Amino acid sequence: QQQVKQSPQSLIVQKGGIPIINCAYENTAFDYFPWYQQFPGKGPALLIAIRPDVSEKKEGRFTISFNKSAKQFSLHIMDSQPGDSATYFCAATSGGYNKLIFGAGTRLAVHP
Amino acid sequence: KAGVTQTPRYLIKTRGQQVTLSCSPISGHRSVSWYQQTPGQGLQFLFEYFSETQRNKGNFPGRFSGRQFSNSRSEMNVSTLELGDSALYLCASSPTARSEKLFFGSGTQLSVL
Repeated sequence: QQQVKQSPQSLIVQKGGIPIINCAYENTAFDYFPWYQQFPGKGPALLIAIRPDVSEKKEGRFTISFNKSAKQFSLHIMDSQPGDSATYFCAATSGGYNKLIFGAGTRLAVHP
Repeated sequence: KAGVTQTPRYLIKTRGQQVTLSCSPISGHRSVSWYQQTPGQGLQFLFEYFSETQRNKGNFPGRFSGRQFSNSRSEMNVSTLELGDSALYLCASSPTARSEKLFFGSGTQLSVL
């Protein structure tokens, strides 16, 4: 019940495409859902986050869509660029924000 | 402002040894969390400290321990190392115990031979 399932494992898109990464959870106590971006040799960095009382959140080219009834949320990257090539992790937590349950990660490659 | 600093960057140990990893949080941050990252298990929460007290603990054996000092710096220790302990160990800091944003360091890559 503590798992966060993330798909796909890897994704290749052309520059300008819109990669979509999906996550699903079981624990209805989760109340905060961040996305982290990780480049090789670096630690993850917070990209964008959402709470379950909001169905969509946009920050620049990044959008989270949240479906509370389906217990699913997804990340969309608009007008993707080669610099977006990285591993993306969804996560969830409840009560305390510092204990994150991470998805398995999606390795994204954006080709020029 | 300097980021989260983890030392050493790389470490090679043999089975049965113990290891201590260090983390210096961003200045002013009082919460430090530790995560283990492996290709097979992904990112897994180890423990979290705030004001020198352990607030949360993940599902790891007692060989994994940590502590936080009065200056918020933190150390984690792994005793009786096993091959499966080979991983990237990441430290993250945040200003308070309930901050929305964690700031991760670049990690310590531990290899157990």
